[in-house]
Amino acid sequence: GAGVSQSPSNKVTEKGKDVELRCDPISGHTALYWYRQSLGQGLEFLIYFQGNSAPDKSGLPSDRFSAERTGGSVSTLTIQRTQQEDSAVYLCASSLAPYSAGGPQETQYFGPGTRLLVL
Amino acid sequence: KNEVEQSPQNLTAQEGEFITINCSYSVGISALHWLQQHPGGGIVSLFMLSSGKKKHGRLIATINIQEKHSSLHITASHPRDSAVYICAVLNTNAGKSTFGDGTTLTVKP
Repeated sequence: GAGVSQSPSNKVTEKGKDVELRCDPISGHTALYWYRQSLGQGLEFLIYFQGNSAPDKSGLPSDRFSAERTGGSVSTLTIQRTQQEDSAVYLCASSLAPYSAGGPQETQYFGPGTRLLVL
Repeated sequence: KNEVEQSPQNLTAQEGEFITINCSYSVGISALHWLQQHPGGGIVSLFMLSSGKKKHGRLIATINIQEKHSSLHITASHPRDSAVYICAVLNTNAGKSTFGDGTTLTVKP
């Protein structure tokens, strides 16, 4: 079946512009995660959605970042007034269920990422 | 000090060798996650565990909650195992993950 897809695969923008990144999780997956990986850096958690619950926004680096998940499926990550330090690969992952007992339902499936470059 | 520490940072092995990658953490967790990132950038989840041991093929992951330590073992390593292996701890609310810096493994034929 189809995996997690993300669009666009690459995005080049000018400093100060807004960008919107899209994630299509695997159908039926209730949990959705956004991460980013800056060049030469490790992975960083951004935000987590579980079903219809309020998202865990604790990882968003500033109020320029926001995300929504419509209808419990597609998610968009929006970065307003982009800065050069926002340049990174933005990764989305989904899982059938959030972690509970370490079963296969909690396996996170990662999308290919969106490579964002802010000039 | 990072909340999640991996060692070694880099590891080079000969094909067939037994590999061990270590992960220590300093925070309370609900689970620990091992990920594999290939040179092309794609990330694959290997294991998620909160106790004991899990095995999948040539890969084995163990965790000791009391010692706040996990290990990832690769038996009979192969050049295709060359990748960055990342340890992540899921905080107690199970949403937020904190990541180690990764271990770059190179397996030579």
